[in-house]
Amino acid sequence: DARVTQTPRHKVTEMGQEVTMRCQPILGHNTVFWYRQTMMQGLELLAYFRNRAPLDDSGMPKDRFSAEMPDATLATLKIQPSEPRDSAVYFCASGQNQPQHFGDGTRLSIL
Amino acid sequence: GENVEQHPSTLSVQEGDSAVIKCTYSDSASNYFPWYKQELGKRPQLIIDIRSNVGEKKDQRIAVTLNKTAKHFSLHITETQPEDSAVYFCAASISSGGSNYKLTFGKGTLLTVNP
Repeated sequence: DARVTQTPRHKVTEMGQEVTMRCQPILGHNTVFWYRQTMMQGLELLAYFRNRAPLDDSGMPKDRFSAEMPDATLATLKIQPSEPRDSAVYFCASGQNQPQHFGDGTRLSIL
Repeated sequence: GENVEQHPSTLSVQEGDSAVIKCTYSDSASNYFPWYKQELGKRPQLIIDIRSNVGEKKDQRIAVTLNKTAKHFSLHITETQPEDSAVYFCAASISSGGSNYKLTFGKGTLLTVNP
């Protein structure tokens, strides 16, 4: 059963530190999405890529967040510098046509 | 952009009863509507989806209905069981030419099934 793989599963760090989250999409999927989930805002789309090209990152704070796909098997989401308000669960999802399949998420806590 | 409203935010039912969750969307161009179930601490998992060329789809105890004219769609769970307890999310998307477009999610419904 193919799955989206995210690392790390948990991350606790102090504000101001750089955070990098990684995602390995399901082999053959050409679209990769990054979501952030909080109690207050629910599931928010941060950015997404098709065939490794960024299509929409309008949901992402540009001053501190960046998303890349160095190759077809790896997507990264970076926060620099991190702030306490960035604490959330970050999900990666991938798809080829519909539907999207979610990874297990990275639970991020910024102290 | 697309806006998806989901109701109710919480729903409590007795085991064996039916549960209904409703969503409305704003963009008439949306044509793909999935439902995800998320258990506590887990990832969202697709449970059923429907495309705009059909009005209803069933899979065992779950069904989804779509009214394109009114721009709303609903999830129906019959004979609920305690393991159905979770947060359910509806979503809407424009899907075209085999491409995977972004989903706009509702805020979620916390379903509790009491034994």
